[in-house]
Amino acid sequence: QSVLTQPPSASGTPGQRVTISCSGSSSNIGTNTVNWYQQVPGTAPKLLIYSDDQRPSGVPDRFSGSKSGTSASLAISGLQSEDEAHYHCAAWDDSLNAVVFGAGTKLTVL
Amino acid sequence: QVQVVQSGAEVKKPGAAVKVSCKASGYTFTTYYMHWVRQAPGQGLEWMGIINPSGGGITYAQKFQGRVTMTRDTSASTVYMELSSLRSEDTAVYYCARDPNVETTGTFDYWGQGTLVTVSS
Repeated sequence: QSVLTQPPSASGTPGQRVTISCSGSSSNIGTNTVNWYQQVPGTAPKLLIYSDDQRPSGVPDRFSGSKSGTSASLAISGLQSEDEAHYHCAAWDDSLNAVVFGAGTKLTVL
Repeated sequence: QVQVVQSGAEVKKPGAAVKVSCKASGYTFTTYYMHWVRQAPGQGLEWMGIINPSGGGITYAQKFQGRVTMTRDTSASTVYMELSSLRSEDTAVYYCARDPNVETTGTFDYWGQGTLVTVSS
């Protein structure tokens, strides 16, 4: 049972905009920043968004992050076939004194 | 360029221990904390703990307290994670990941390639 809640799956067609949600509580998302990772099966996760809405260099601006209260969202616009991957959200939890993750969302590009 | 390279796959019997290494290069090893994260087959990511390569300070996730030991060798720019009393549920890919922040926020900017640990009798 993951501390952060994500939908297990999402899908879209090429060119479409999709969003993936991540729900937490006051001890994690409500107080601390959210990070998003992209993971292609068989490879290590890659940092996609940090500090709620910041993109590391090299990450296309098609990817954006936002946060409101105890929930965060990852948006992908202009969906491409190469975006097909698993997406994980993460944050520090003050009560657990630990980094907590969502269970991950599998994005399928139809 | 920054590189984080882990040791190879391991097969262990239940009750045994495994030690995974993570060698960093391309930056000053003692400047950045290192985390350990694992991923069981078909499952999400699970945080195990963090080590400060400079002072050696460590925080373990409560779930692994008493079973995990994280150490570092600054002369080799390497951190280690040892997990003992292995059971089948510990079968997973184990990752080390660098933290770019002074305060831990769950941001990991460089990851090792992962080490598959299989626990089987």
